[in-house]
Amino acid sequence: AQSVSQHNHHVILSEAASLELGCNYSYGGTVNLFWYVQYPGQHLQLLLKYFSGDPLVKGIKGFEAEFIKSKFSFNLRKPSVQWSDTAEYFCAVNARNNQGGKLIFGQGTELSVKP
Amino acid sequence: DAGITQSPRHKVTETGTPVTLRCHQTENHRYMYWYRQDPGHGLRLIHYSYGVKDTDKGEVSDGYSVSRSKTEDFLLTLESATSSQTSVYFCAISVGLAGAYEQYFGPGTRLTVT
Repeated sequence: AQSVSQHNHHVILSEAASLELGCNYSYGGTVNLFWYVQYPGQHLQLLLKYFSGDPLVKGIKGFEAEFIKSKFSFNLRKPSVQWSDTAEYFCAVNARNNQGGKLIFGQGTELSVKP
Repeated sequence: DAGITQSPRHKVTETGTPVTLRCHQTENHRYMYWYRQDPGHGLRLIHYSYGVKDTDKGEVSDGYSVSRSKTEDFLLTLESATSSQTSVYFCAISVGLAGAYEQYFGPGTRLTVT
């Protein structure tokens, strides 16, 4: 069965600090990988996605993620966070051969950025 | 927003009462999903639909049923609500081609069962 693990439950950073959120998945086949962001009181928004090709993907708002197949990882990074990045971040996976692309989510990481 | 609306947005109900949540989409997407979001669990799939009258169970389907009689509407029913079903419920649709689907989410329904 597929599973997704996010290493950090709650991360607290000061503005301008660098961010890296860990995500590991468990699945024997080919996967698509996603990061979603949920700002307080809002719905999930797609931050970035990996289907194939260059393992370093860039998303909105200066975020990027790197797919390392040998480590089953898809870590999210941002060089310099802002107060407005305060949100909950979810890593998600679906199997490439899954009809319709239903997702398996990690537990989420709450990011708090101090001004 | 992928044209997804959910209703109601907030609901408080009593244990044992039936509750129906509605997801409506305007762009004729084939695949629709219901998730619940709980602290420490991320989002978990309740039920999903491949098309009209074509539904299947997800990982946390006990106590829930769904119906899809029209492409645009996907209904989630709690037959007899329990306090453990207090949660935020999100509807989603899939966009893309085989092997490269991505999901977009509705605004959510916050359900409290007292």
